[in-house]
Amino acid sequence: EVQLVESGGGLVQPGGSLRLSCVASGLTVSNNYMNWVRQAPGKGLEWVSLIYSDGSTYYADSVKGRFTISRDNSTNTLYLQMNSLRTEDTAVYYCARDDGAYWGRGTLVTVSA
Amino acid sequence: QAGLTQPPSVSKGLRQTATLTCTGNSNNVGNQGATWLQQHQGHPPKLLSYRGDSRPSGISERFSASRSRNTASLTITGLQPEDEADYYCSAWDSSLSAWVFGEGTKLTVL
Repeated sequence: EVQLVESGGGLVQPGGSLRLSCVASGLTVSNNYMNWVRQAPGKGLEWVSLIYSDGSTYYADSVKGRFTISRDNSTNTLYLQMNSLRTEDTAVYYCARDDGAYWGRGTLVTVSA
Repeated sequence: QAGLTQPPSVSKGLRQTATLTCTGNSNNVGNQGATWLQQHQGHPPKLLSYRGDSRPSGISERFSASRSRNTASLTITGLQPEDEADYYCSAWDSSLSAWVFGEGTKLTVL
């Protein structure tokens, strides 16, 4: 059974940083295209970032230059380093396989003074 | 990044058929088809159809996806109370090198 478990969310001040983690079981992160997708409270889904199996990375314009997606093959973990956080980054952050077949339950990031 | 266009809401009666639409362009929906996701309040999204392909294991045959040029559709037959949810479409945009999402359609089963 595939499980994706996100962690690392919390309350942070504008301009601050957080690193989200997504630990995978039943699925090898490095062999799959993996995404981060977020959902602001009461809003729709918004794609954030993608990492290919070859290590290529892609970002939404809204986070480009501030967020970095990466992975640790030894721990089978996907990461999202978030810097220069803004209030509009407040959302539940999900990790998901690229085909949408597997999603974590999400971790809430709140950016507020 | 420009998103896909979905109607904000659709209401249908129990056991009726609902067709949800998702309009993009030739760089996204028209290129690789649309992925459909269902989301119940407080839960993560659930895959219904990936790029218009056949249903994932465990998804009811009442859900079917199709595409005509730049518009994807999700048809739900024999509507049940548990079908009441938000439905999102998404597609990879080859010109933007980005996934784009629709704003979602809230389906109400009367």
